[in-house]
This record gives sequence, structure tokens and C-alpha cells, in this order.
Amino acid sequence: SQELEQSPQSLIVQEGKNLTINCTSSKTLYGLYWYKQKYGEGLIFLMMLQKGGEEKSHEKITAKLDEKKQQSSLHITASQPSHAGIYLCGEQGAQKLVFGQGTRLTINP
Amino acid sequence: SQTIHQWPATLVQPVGSPLSLECTVEGTSNPNLYWYRQAAGRGLQLLFYSVGIGQISSEVPQNLSASRPQDRQFILSSKKLLLSDSGFYLCAWSVIAGRPQHFGDGTRLSIL
Repeated sequence: SQELEQSPQSLIVQEGKNLTINCTSSKTLYGLYWYKQKYGEGLIFLMMLQKGGEEKSHEKITAKLDEKKQQSSLHITASQPSHAGIYLCGEQGAQKLVFGQGTRLTINP
Repeated sequence: SQTIHQWPATLVQPVGSPLSLECTVEGTSNPNLYWYRQAAGRGLQLLFYSVGIGQISSEVPQNLSASRPQDRQFILSSKKLLLSDSGFYLCAWSVIAGRPQHFGDGTRLSIL
């Protein structure tokens, strides 16, 4: 089965700084999802990418899918405390999503 | 708008006891339904999914079972809980496969 590798596993940044989280697959991605999870809570859907080179933005969060459709990046501009949490990428399979291990983001004041 | 409800929010159970977690979706018909488990320090693991009433697909053989007695109701059960069943259980729904899944708030299950 296809595996998604996220990097870094954890990230600590100072409030106001930019950051990038990566999600890499060994095979072509036919649908890539980004979710955010606060500790002890459910996942919140952020964005879905399907086309090579596609880029979507939601407030200060931008996600891109590379042309080969094997890597996606999530970029946060001018990070805020509300951005803290676990970010997960997920790949669309026939009937289900397969998730990466997640990236834990901490924002320091 | 669609909403998903999952309960209880937290549960502490002794080893060997039964389990029943419930998930309901409102505002949509015939959704795809999913049960995931998130163990400490690990990613989300899909346990079961359902594309219709009475239709359950199991992803991982284990001590758990799932049922869908009604269109928008999904239940996760166990006859005898094991220590390894501890974790954070999440229910999710989607309109169809290939569309975003939307998650409930989760149930934190601790086995003593």
C-alpha cells in the first residue's frame, strides 16, 4: 500500500515566522488532502489537491501539489498561536484515505 | 448543513468489558462512514468503513466490530476489550469516496 512520509515530524517556530511542512509519496497521488488536528479533537479539513501544479490557499495557509503529483507542501505565512496543532496529509485510495504520521506544530510567542 | 456527532467524548473501561461507541450524521443521506483509531504517537489507522446500511468493510482484523443499523448511524463495538484497544477513536463521513471526509470530535478510550 502507498505510504505517505511527512517532514518534519515536529516543528517549533516563533510567532510571526513562516514555515513549511512536506508530504511525500513514492507513487503518484491521485488526491491529496490536508487536515489539521488540535490535541484531543477531531480533524478539520483544510484543502484537497488533485492536479499536478495545483495550489490552494485558505487564509494564511497555502498548499501545493508538485507537477509529478508525488509531493505536497503546506506553507503557513506569519504564523499565529491558532495555527498550532497536528497537520496530517492524506492520500485518496479507492474507498479510503491513507494518512501520513502527522507534523506537530508548536508556535512560541 | 451537515453535522457529525460522536459519543461519549471520553471513556474508561476495564479489560474484558464490552464497548459501544456511537456516531451519527445529520443533514445528508447515504453517506460513506468511517471509523479510525489514533494510538499515542501513531498516525490514523482506518478500522472500518461503510458505503451503505448493513455494508461494513474491515481494514484490520482485530478485537473490534462495526455495524450500521441505520443510514446515518455507525457503531463501533467490542465484546471484550484489550489493553491494546486504548486510543483515540474518530468517526468520519463523506458524500462519496474521493470527496473530503469530515470528522467527529473523537472518543478517548482508556483501558485499565
